[in-house]
Amino acid sequence: DTGVSQDPRHKITKRGQNVTFRCDPISEHNRLYWYRQTLGQGPEFLTYFQNEAQLEKSRLLSDRFSAERPKGSFSTLEIQRTEQGDSAMYLCASSLAGVASPLHFGNGTRLTVT
Amino acid sequence: SQQGEEDPQALSIQEGENATMNCSYKTSINNLQWYRQNSGRGLVHLILIRSNEREKHSGRLRVTLDTSKKSSSLLITASRAADTASYFCATESGYSTLTFGKGTMLLVSP
Repeated sequence: DTGVSQDPRHKITKRGQNVTFRCDPISEHNRLYWYRQTLGQGPEFLTYFQNEAQLEKSRLLSDRFSAERPKGSFSTLEIQRTEQGDSAMYLCASSLAGVASPLHFGNGTRLTVT
Repeated sequence: SQQGEEDPQALSIQEGENATMNCSYKTSINNLQWYRQNSGRGLVHLILIRSNEREKHSGRLRVTLDTSKKSSSLLITASRAADTASYFCATESGYSTLTFGKGTMLLVSP
């Protein structure tokens, strides 16, 4: 169990550019989640997958955001035409399916949009 | 939207003292979980309490749940400098995903 890994750890981009983040979950976990966290706030849910199926998307997730989990393993989160308001920590987590399964988080990707 | 609200927002104590953090929530839950986050890192799961449980212990952690008041508390006994972190409660309701509060920042001074 190597834990959840996220890449890159930090990303600085200019407004209007596209960015893509990657998350590798714990291998036996079939659920994968994306959260966004801004300073002084708790994580806000964005979307989650069970295997390769995207089962839920938050209303926070605008059309500029897209997430994939093509083979039910790693996942990518892409933000198109970034805005300064997208600056945040993007956290990925994984878990086993079912109620009361704790989430295992990666260390996040910190995005700064200048 | 954030279901849970932690109280206090910040807590500063000396090593060896106990720290108590509270969480209130709005809707019925399946379970409530507490997580810790060190600065610049991801969250780490600490403890889970189901809606039909009233109290749970794990090492120096004690969690209580009062579903009639829609509230929970996390007690850390004999705190250490290494306990310095932000602590979040998170609720799971129905089939919805985990919803986090805004957190309590705990500072434990040597």
